Amino acid sequence: EDQVTQSPEALRLQEGESSSLNCSYTVSGLRGLFWYRQDPGKGPEFLFTLYSAGEEKEKERLKATLTKKESFLHITAPKPEDSATYLCAVQVYGGSQGNLIFGKGTKLSVKP
Amino acid sequence: EPEVTQTPSHQVTQMGQEVILRCVPISNHLYFYWYRQILGQKVEFLVSFYNNEISEKSEIFDDQFSVERPDGSNFTLKIRSTKLEDSAMYFCASSGLGSGNTIYFGEGSWLTVV
Repeated sequence: EDQVTQSPEALRLQEGESSSLNCSYTVSGLRGLFWYRQDPGKGPEFLFTLYSAGEEKEKERLKATLTKKESFLHITAPKPEDSATYLCAVQVYGGSQGNLIFGKGTKLSVKP
Repeated sequence: EPEVTQTPSHQVTQMGQEVILRCVPISNHLYFYWYRQILGQKVEFLVSFYNNEISEKSEIFDDQFSVERPDGSNFTLKIRSTKLEDSAMYFCASSGLGSGNTIYFGEGSWLTVV
C-alpha cells in the first residue's frame, strides 16, 4: 500500500532557527512529490514539485530535496509568518494525475 | 494570479439533506478534482474528472456522491443524503496545460451535518 509519513508532527522554532521537515514515502512508483503549505481553515497552497532523486528546489527561505525514499523541506532562518502546516503528497504511476496521497503534515510554529 | 474559487465557504445541513458544493476551476485547466479533510485528519482524494467523465474515484466516493460540470466554468460535488460523518472541509482542485502536474486547490467549503 502506498504510504506517506511526515515527521515531526509538530515543530516549534525560534525566529532565525533553521530546521528540516521530513517526508518519507513507500510507493509502487513515484510520479511526483509535492509540498504544500496549509494555513488554518484554508486550502493547501502549492510550494514545490519534485520528480527525481537528487532534485532540489528553492523558494525564499524554503528548500525541498528528494531522495529515493524521502524528501526534506529545509527552512532557513524562519520568520513567524512561516508558521503553518506543511503537507507532503505523492503522485504515483497507475493513478490519475490528481490522485495525491497526503501525509498528516508537520505543524510549524515560529516564535519571534 | 489565477485561483480556484469555491462556494459556499461554510454550509450547515440537516442529516439526510442533499448538498451541492460549487467550484470554479482555473480557466485553462482541464482536470478537476475533489478532496476532503475531516477535522484533524489527512487530506483525502475523492474523485478526478476529465473530458466530462470521472477518471478515477476513491473508496470514499460511493453512490451518494456525484460530480458534474454543468457549463464551461463550474464544477460541482453533490452529496445526495448527507450523514454526520460527511462533516468535513471539501476542497476543489484543478490542473492542466501550462501547470504540468501541479494541482492547485481552492480555499475549501466547510460542511457541517447536524
